[in-house]
Amino acid sequence: AQSVTQPDIHITVSEGASLELRCNYSYGATPYLFWYVQSPGQGLQLLLKYFSGDTLVQGIKGFEAEFKRSQSSFNLRKPSVHWSDAAEYFCAVGARGNTPLVFGKGTRLSVIA
Amino acid sequence: GAGVSQSPSNKVTEKGKDVELRCDPISGHTALYWYRQSLGQGLEFLIYFQGNSAPDKSGLPSDRFSAERTGGSVSTLTIQRTQQEDSAVYLCASSAAGGDYGYTFGSGTRLTVV
Repeated sequence: AQSVTQPDIHITVSEGASLELRCNYSYGATPYLFWYVQSPGQGLQLLLKYFSGDTLVQGIKGFEAEFKRSQSSFNLRKPSVHWSDAAEYFCAVGARGNTPLVFGKGTRLSVIA
Repeated sequence: GAGVSQSPSNKVTEKGKDVELRCDPISGHTALYWYRQSLGQGLEFLIYFQGNSAPDKSGLPSDRFSAERTGGSVSTLTIQRTQQEDSAVYLCASSAAGGDYGYTFGSGTRLTVV
């Protein structure tokens, strides 16, 4: 069965600092991987996705993620965090064919001045 | 419409009452999903509709939960005899057919059972 682990429940970073949010997945075949962001009181917004090809994918809002098959990881990064990045971030794994995504429990990001 | 619309945005109900939550997906999206988001628990899959196929109900937590999708568009999630543990945010998402899918989520319905 597919599963996603986000080891960090809550991370606090200073504005302007770099960010890395961890995601590990368990899936038998080549996974489809996603990162979503949820701002307070809002629905989830897709940041980026990986299906195949280049293992470093670029997303919106300056985010990127790197797929590492050997480590079963898909970590999200941003070189310089802005206060508006404070939100909940969810990693998800899926398979071809629109089958339901499996989500991690999320990492809450706080940004301090 | 331009996005996925969910109604109501907030619902407070008494324990034991039935509730209906509505989702209006993006026009033309053949796949529709319901998830439940509880505090600290991430997103829990409930049910999935794909076109005219039988829905995947494998995530429904009990027989008090049911959902239907009429005309391949609007979906209603019904919770009968609500319990306090049903309190959560219920999120609906839709996606287009094909392999390059990413969900578009609605803003959710916050259900509080008192």
